[in-house]
Amino acid sequence: EIVLTQSPGTLSLSPGDRATLSCRASQSLTKKYISWYQQRPGQAPSLLISDVSIRANGVPDRFSGSGSGTDFSLIISELEPEDFAVYYCQHYSPSPPGLTFGPGTKVEIK
Amino acid sequence: QVTLRESGPALVKPTQALTLTCSFSGFSLNTIGESVSWVRQPPGKALEWLAFIDSDDDKVYSPSLKTRLTISRDTSKKQVVLTMTNMDPVDTATYYCAGPHNVHLGVWGKGTTVTVSS
Repeated sequence: EIVLTQSPGTLSLSPGDRATLSCRASQSLTKKYISWYQQRPGQAPSLLISDVSIRANGVPDRFSGSGSGTDFSLIISELEPEDFAVYYCQHYSPSPPGLTFGPGTKVEIK
Repeated sequence: QVTLRESGPALVKPTQALTLTCSFSGFSLNTIGESVSWVRQPPGKALEWLAFIDSDDDKVYSPSLKTRLTISRDTSKKQVVLTMTNMDPVDTATYYCAGPHNVHLGVWGKGTTVTVSS
């Protein structure tokens, strides 16, 4: 079973800063089944990125995803006030089938 | 437009079973690749995937909870039902359903909060 680790746990930044969030898998992933979600306080998660780097509909281009093997990243190029939230990475395993979420990274206002 | 909505009891007693219903629209769950997942989130904690059911009626469960979970679907009603047995206070959480695929969860319901307490 794949385990996802996210770092840092909390990122304290200012609006306009660049945020780099890391997601590390416990073993190398052969398929690009890594997604990223944003969760604002009191709201359900929403999909930002699928298949490592594909932005979901309506997601601003300041959000980008990259990575391969065991190391994946979500970058927010210039933080807007609405971007301060918790971000989760997620992996889908086709065999054995199942989903795994990382523990999350909170991006907070410095 | 794909939408999902969770419903179920807000309060259950320890040892009781919890039954949650996800009502969906905008997809059929009959098309190859479609699925509905359940995900929960205890207060202040991370997301935890619980189970999914797909267009082939295949059911996949979290290994850590599979003995307690049952997922089923009624495609004519466009509903997916999750049952979790032997509820404990640690199962207090917001329960979400999401879909319409399992590789990534593109649309989520608003969630339903379940408290386990006597």
